[in-house]
Amino acid sequence: QKEVEQDPGPLSVPEGAIVSLNCTYSNSAFQYFMWYRQYSRKGPELLMYTYSSGNKEDGRFTAQVDKSSKYISLFIRDSQPSDSATYLCAMSPPGDSGAGSYQLTFGKGTKLSVIP
Amino acid sequence: NAGVTQTPKFQVLKTGQSMTLQCAQDMNHNSMYWYRQDPGMGLRLIYYSASEGTTDKGEVPNGYNVSRLNKREFSLRLESAAPSQTSVYFCASSVARDGEQFFGPGTRLTVL
Repeated sequence: QKEVEQDPGPLSVPEGAIVSLNCTYSNSAFQYFMWYRQYSRKGPELLMYTYSSGNKEDGRFTAQVDKSSKYISLFIRDSQPSDSATYLCAMSPPGDSGAGSYQLTFGKGTKLSVIP
Repeated sequence: NAGVTQTPKFQVLKTGQSMTLQCAQDMNHNSMYWYRQDPGMGLRLIYYSASEGTTDKGEVPNGYNVSRLNKREFSLRLESAAPSQTSVYFCASSVARDGEQFFGPGTRLTVL
């Protein structure tokens, strides 16, 4: 079993829809959880960063972490064509000093298309 | 403020050739990283440098070497390229271990 599982899609939704993107993981040591957005032929850019369990909201984006189920989600409200990209989840355990580790484990990414 | 820059953007090599991928950041970050991204495999860490003067292996270090030239620059060298090293290579940097990693635009490498 891979440490991080992410459905590669592709996922196609109409403009204005609510999008739900998910990752599951097997390593219970993971404490830091991230979502990156990657446009075609570009480098990834950080969207959301959460520590441990709970929800975090930033504009149209909400990240949820359920450590008991080893499951993280990214919700996009009122999706726009500009949201069309590949979304990567990433996570890491604590490092030696208790802060995050240098080594992130990434999911394979979900390709999202928002149709006008 | 250019962020993270990578050169070259594209490269085609023949099996056995060597080359160095260059990365520079102007954000005064302490930590730098090299990843490769392959279809169906996601991003995998090759090497990282926690701070100037240190380097450590990541998940897939075989066939690569790195040099942290100074605080700004972190290079990745392929001594004898193999077709299995055909990939897109990303450099990233962060302030510290749990800080946001900022990625460069990538280098698309093909080994024939």
